[in-house]
Amino acid sequence: GNSVTQMEGPVTLSEEAFLTINCTYTATGYPSLFWYVQYPGEGLQLLLKATKADDKGSNKGFEATYRKETTSFHLEKGSVQVSDSAVYFCALSANQAGTALIFGKGTTLSVSS
Amino acid sequence: GAVVSQHPSWVICKSGTSVKIECRSLDFQATTMFWYRQFPKQSLMLMATSNEGSKATYEQGVEKDKFLINHASLTLSTLTVTSAHPEDSSFYICSARDPGLAGGDFKDTQYFGPGTRLTVL
Repeated sequence: GNSVTQMEGPVTLSEEAFLTINCTYTATGYPSLFWYVQYPGEGLQLLLKATKADDKGSNKGFEATYRKETTSFHLEKGSVQVSDSAVYFCALSANQAGTALIFGKGTTLSVSS
Repeated sequence: GAVVSQHPSWVICKSGTSVKIECRSLDFQATTMFWYRQFPKQSLMLMATSNEGSKATYEQGVEKDKFLINHASLTLSTLTVTSAHPEDSSFYICSARDPGLAGGDFKDTQYFGPGTRLTVL
């Protein structure tokens, strides 16, 4: 079945450091891929998405490229800020009507000044 | 972007009572909404898929008689936790699928509500 695997956290970085959060997936067909972010005490927010191979999603300095050959969708940011501290979830959708998202376990990012 | 609201955002109730949580899509019509449950420091677990005008589809292990779902309109789905007990305390999150442009590519972007924290004493 479909599944998402994320690197386990927590990830602790200093401000302005480079961030990578690894995400790989298993799916049949051609899923859409997503990164969601959950700030402390809040609900999930869509951060970025990619709907086909080689697409790059980007938002707020974050980016991720849909790599079908490696079944990956790693999240990157060149220079993190304290305000980026949150839990990041990688997710996929099977691109069929009515299907729910399948989430990874989430990776907690903590950025210190 | 699309907005999904939930009400209430926080509820505390006594054991044995029922609690209703509403999920609304504010600026789009959602034929499908999803209900998730999130335990502390864990990922979201899908509970059920709610389709407008039909019965919800529950995931394995989720008691349909305990978690009643009603999707009465294209903008509203409700989750009722019946006879709540302390083990039902959790963060409940709904999402609504924005179908995107009519006739265009399938755009499976789901927008999430802010969540409802339920505490059962």
